Amino acid sequence: GAGVSQSPSNKVTEKGKDVELRCDPISGHTALYWYRQSLGQGLEFLIYFQGNSAPDKSGLPSDRFSAERTGGSVSTLTIQRTQQEDSAVYLCASSLGLAGGITDTQYFGPGTRLTVL
Amino acid sequence: DAKTTQPTSMDCAEGRAANLPCNHSTISGNEYVYWYRQIHSQGPQYIIHGLKNNETNEMASLIITEDRKSSTLILPHATLRDTAVYYCIVSPRNAGGTSYGKLTFGQGTILTVHP
Repeated sequence: GAGVSQSPSNKVTEKGKDVELRCDPISGHTALYWYRQSLGQGLEFLIYFQGNSAPDKSGLPSDRFSAERTGGSVSTLTIQRTQQEDSAVYLCASSLGLAGGITDTQYFGPGTRLTVL
Repeated sequence: DAKTTQPTSMDCAEGRAANLPCNHSTISGNEYVYWYRQIHSQGPQYIIHGLKNNETNEMASLIITEDRKSSTLILPHATLRDTAVYYCIVSPRNAGGTSYGKLTFGQGTILTVHP
């Protein structure tokens, strides 16, 4: 079946502009995650959605970052007033979440490469 | 979450077994060991996970020491396509016994498989 998809695959923007990144999770997956990976760095957790529960926003680096998940499916990560340090690959993952049983495997999308000039 | 320690890089000859170690000496009883890998320019890919017993699937085997303080991921017959960064992650279960939530990635091990 179809995996996690993300769009756009690449985004170049100017400093100060807002950007929206989209994630389409695997159908039926109730949990959705956003991570980012800066050049030469490991993956950094940003936010986690589980069903209709309040999201875990503990990884968002500043209030310029926000995310929503509409209808329990598609998610959008928004970065306002982008800065050069926001340049990174933004990865989305989904999983069965609470329905995943004892353990819950996350499936990652290909990522969106964001470049802020 | 428990911290993991992995070697920065390893080499392996094609067709040989690749044994990737991971130290997780502070692991607690409610934490699983997960392995993911990331091939260049792709998102991470799940490989295998375990609690205390050794596990095997079509991709790899996971050997966990009896005290659970370390583990080894084994790729039995490494190919050039196995060249990637391999991440060992310890992830807790919640009170209900399910394991879900954010994954904390370290720097991982860069495995290079050469001809």
